[in-house]
Amino acid sequence: GESVGLHLPTLSVQEGDNSIINCAYSNSASDYFIWYKQESGKGPQFIIDIRSNMDKRQGQRVTVLLNKTVKHLSLQIAATQPGDSAVYFCAEMWGGGADGLTFGKGTHLIIQP
Amino acid sequence: GAGVSQTPSNKVTEKGKYVELRCDPISGHTALYWYRQSLGQGPEFLIYFQGTGAADDSGLPNDRFFAVRPEGSVSTLKIQRTERGDSAVYLCASSLPGFANTGELFFGEGSRLTVL
Repeated sequence: GESVGLHLPTLSVQEGDNSIINCAYSNSASDYFIWYKQESGKGPQFIIDIRSNMDKRQGQRVTVLLNKTVKHLSLQIAATQPGDSAVYFCAEMWGGGADGLTFGKGTHLIIQP
Repeated sequence: GAGVSQTPSNKVTEKGKYVELRCDPISGHTALYWYRQSLGQGPEFLIYFQGTGAADDSGLPNDRFFAVRPEGSVSTLKIQRTERGDSAVYLCASSLPGFANTGELFFGEGSRLTVL
């Protein structure tokens, strides 16, 4: 069944502030996690990934943190910009991933001017 | 363009009709995926092709749904006897060989299907 989910459906932040989007997973066998961004009317776009042997991974303005003890994943976006407004999905993969990903329901990030 | 192309972008049909949705993946991407996304939900896996063969069709909801990829490139998702519950955005994605190493799927913009 569905094991990936998000804590909040909507997150509103001020432009320039940092955003933190959270995700919980229940499948302890999951060994690979990915964050996707979906803008209105478009398909999801890969942002960043992390493997289960890592706790943290950084990209450009984004950081993903993985806490395997509590099966929790977060995406941090630094200095949010209007272009960051979108729905963010965490997705998990296990067993080689040839069948694709299992997506959570998503968090809608709204940037206030 | 160089991205995944899906047609039509919008399709409105009546209950009971037959529908075909087309996906043209990025050139050189051997893996192709179909997902379905309902309003307010994340994408839900339907079927995965590696080359011409369906490597995993476990996500297809019932036998009204079928997909083909006869030449290992373009894929068509076929829905027979459409029902109102089939209304959703159907997303196609492709990936490079070695997808399991990166997790990066390249998605199209989707085909929005509305069944009246």
